Amino acid sequence: ELKVEQNPLFLSMQEGKNYTIYCNYSTTSDRLYWYRQDPGKSLESLFVLLSNGAVKQEGRLMASLDTKARLSTLHITAAVHDLSATYFCAVTTSGTYKYIFGTGTRLKVLA
Amino acid sequence: DAGVIQSPRHEVTEMGQEVTLRCKPISGHNSLFWYRQTMMRGLELLIYFNNNVPIDDSGMPEDRFSAKMPNASFSTLKIQPSEPRDSAVYFCASSLIQNTEAFFGQGTRLTVV
Repeated sequence: ELKVEQNPLFLSMQEGKNYTIYCNYSTTSDRLYWYRQDPGKSLESLFVLLSNGAVKQEGRLMASLDTKARLSTLHITAAVHDLSATYFCAVTTSGTYKYIFGTGTRLKVLA
Repeated sequence: DAGVIQSPRHEVTEMGQEVTLRCKPISGHNSLFWYRQTMMRGLELLIYFNNNVPIDDSGMPEDRFSAKMPNASFSTLKIQPSEPRDSAVYFCASSLIQNTEAFFGQGTRLTVV
């Protein structure tokens, strides 16, 4: 059974600081997705990583994928308050169409 | 496209009543997913359809839950009878092919009292 774990679960950081969220998954997959969810809202797609070594960047967020280590990272550079949200990674298993989500990381950026 | 559309947005019902949640996926998408989100269990995949056919319903918690997709533009998730522990936000999502992301609806917040 595919399991997706994120750490940390909670992250409180000062504006201007850098930090990384980690996403580990348990079985072979080379498709990984990052989503953002604001409180009381739906999930919004941030990044789609489709191959080993893939790196995507948007503003202060950068995501990368290492399929051999079964690890993805979401790096936050010079955090701002607007980045406060819950971030989820999701993985689809090879040969199926199921999107399995991680536990989520609740990020709070303090002014 | 208006995105994935779910209705109702909020539902409050009494224990034992039947609840039906509705979803209209993005036009042209061939995969549809129902998720349940709670604080305790996070995002759980309940069931997903591919080309209107249920592929995996192993996440459906009990026989009280059922889902249908009669055509490519409509799906329902039914709970009968509802129980307080079914209270959660239920999301519907759709995707075009496996290599693209799933797009989520706004969710239905269900409260069973």
